[in-house]
Amino acid sequence: KAGVTQTPRYLIKTRGQQVTLSCSPISGHRSVSWYQQTPGQGLQFLFEYFSETQRNKGNFPGRFSGRQFSNSRSEMNVSTLELGDSALYLCASSLAGDPKAFNEQFFGPGTRLTVL
Amino acid sequence: AQRVTQPEKLLSVFKGAPVELKCNYSYSGSPELFWYVQYSRQRLQLLLRHISRESIKGFTADLNKGETSFHLKKPFAQEEDSAMYYCALSPGGSYIPTFGRGTSLIVHP
Repeated sequence: KAGVTQTPRYLIKTRGQQVTLSCSPISGHRSVSWYQQTPGQGLQFLFEYFSETQRNKGNFPGRFSGRQFSNSRSEMNVSTLELGDSALYLCASSLAGDPKAFNEQFFGPGTRLTVL
Repeated sequence: AQRVTQPEKLLSVFKGAPVELKCNYSYSGSPELFWYVQYSRQRLQLLLRHISRESIKGFTADLNKGETSFHLKKPFAQEEDSAMYYCALSPGGSYIPTFGRGTSLIVHP
């Protein structure tokens, strides 16, 4: 099976712009989670989508949003970019049928976002 | 609030030496604990979880609720163990992980 793919791999934006990142999960996986990784804050959970619905959400401002399509592909959007949004954004997918049961997540390579 | 602390940013050992990567957590309920690993130029991946009580690639980790720790151990380190290791905690019943800052393990030949 092909692994989780993320596009684009690198992105440069300026403050105030918005950005959309894309994640294609492993075939058959219905849950997609997003993470932000920075040197200062480490790896932080953004949100999780399952069956086109946001199921869990981390502690990030409303400028960070996402959505999931019927084919389980997911997009993450960041509006009004700030310098501090520069980070590696990771996507992970899992089968995740039962939200209370553990389902191993498989991570993508990440999108490196630089905000100038 | 839940918190995971990995006190060592870097751990350097020689091949064949024992390894212990420390992880301490703060959580009021019954958490699930995990170790993730990221090898050079590879993706982040799950190494093990405390519930499974498995030994993966020679690594084991025991949950000590009294000391709120979940240290990762291996009796004899190998060069291929060199990687970034992340400890993570999730509330029981849902998977919303909190990660530690990670420990870089370097195993010298």
